[in-house]
Amino acid sequence: DTGVSQDPRHKITKRGQNVTFRCDPISEHNRLYWYRQTLGQGPEFLTYFQNEAQLEKSRLLSDRFSAERPKGSFSTLEIQRTEQGDSAMYLCASSPYRSGGASGTDTQYFGPGTRLTVL
Amino acid sequence: AQSVSQHNHHVILSEAASLELGCNYSYGGTVNLFWYVQYPGQHLQLLLKYFSGDPLVKGIKGFEAEFIKSKFSFNLRKPSVQWSDTAEYFCAVWYSSASKIIFGSGTRLSIRP
Repeated sequence: DTGVSQDPRHKITKRGQNVTFRCDPISEHNRLYWYRQTLGQGPEFLTYFQNEAQLEKSRLLSDRFSAERPKGSFSTLEIQRTEQGDSAMYLCASSPYRSGGASGTDTQYFGPGTRLTVL
Repeated sequence: AQSVSQHNHHVILSEAASLELGCNYSYGGTVNLFWYVQYPGQHLQLLLKYFSGDPLVKGIKGFEAEFIKSKFSFNLRKPSVQWSDTAEYFCAVWYSSASKIIFGSGTRLSIRP
């Protein structure tokens, strides 16, 4: 399967613990996005990378959240000191880079998501 | 603030019925428009998109959408639905002014066989 993969698929943690999620994009895709989706809502943009550079961050991404894409391939999203309000599905998407194209023209390919439950 | 509204949260249709799902967005300058679909147990995937040109856009599986700039709308249509169209449908708008994409809350479509 050459699609976007995410690990783990499910994570249950206690409030106050740190968690880290991994996303492996489609191999030739330069752009990588993180979203959060809660029940009954659409995905909410968190952040986006072009290669290893983090180009956009939402105000939703508090200082407890950090994302990295160190070699421009896979990415990690870490949440420190988790809160019950962090319970959600965390989605990753990737897209190919077109020279001169803005991120808004990308077709994003989504992974299956990581469902986080904070007890 | 930019926002995207999908007024129908759950739509139930019989097979062969026509479909129209509403999507309205707030004004925000130049926009690009998308419809994504999530079939049960599957990932979100792109149905169709509009950047410029002909405001009637055709996508996969017989879906189409019409961009009406004056109404800030991008409604999704299909003339005859099938049971396999059962899914959740998300409208998404990329605002160039904010350089970010905003998704609507989704419409769950159930098709009675």
